[in-house]
Amino acid sequence: QSALTQPASVSGSPGQSITISCTGTSSDVGSYNLVSWYQQHPGKAPKFLIYEGSERPSGVSNRFSGSKSGNTASLTISGLQAEDEADYYCCSYAGNHVIFGGGTKLTVL
Amino acid sequence: EVQLVESGGGLVQPGRSLRLSCAASGFTFDDYAMHWVRQAPGKGLEWVSGISWNSDTIDYADSVKGRFTMSRDNAKNSLYLQMNSLRAEDTALYFCAKDMSPGAVGGFDMWGQGTMVTVSS
Repeated sequence: QSALTQPASVSGSPGQSITISCTGTSSDVGSYNLVSWYQQHPGKAPKFLIYEGSERPSGVSNRFSGSKSGNTASLTISGLQAEDEADYYCCSYAGNHVIFGGGTKLTVL
Repeated sequence: EVQLVESGGGLVQPGRSLRLSCAASGFTFDDYAMHWVRQAPGKGLEWVSGISWNSDTIDYADSVKGRFTMSRDNAKNSLYLQMNSLRAEDTALYFCAKDMSPGAVGGFDMWGQGTMVTVSS
């Protein structure tokens, strides 16, 4: 049950777009269309951003989008805003368990 | 209002036990799977355990298998985590999270605020 691989940090300027990758294996990301993404601000509970790889829950800004190709999922945030500065986690179903990525810290410059 | 409220955390000595609870409200509890997810201080999220809507399927992370037991009481809209043989590495904020489906496949659309468990002598 190894964690999914995410970059430790990414950064971007307001208005720009950034993409966070999430690499798993053929046993998790590659096998199931059950990748989700979460945003977590310091001291807060995670917030649900994306499910089933690319679906956005109601109420989530359309600046957030997800995709998947093979064993790698991606989260793209367009039109970066200051409030997007947070930690981001991917997550995948993997048969009889669920795996999170190690998390990516997004800095808005 | 949809809400998940965890309780039962605290300071416990290594090797001892603790039982966490999560009270759910504002949604039809027995329609959905539920999970426990933890976060050690300064670290990332770690899935701990998940239970299907009817308790038929209960899965555990390898790190807690054999020590932790997850259960639910749909009549009481409550979720539980019995933690035995606690270790220092179990120290974390424990979140209760609702799955968006009846099966425990991830997709956590609601989270509680967490209850802190500290394992130390």
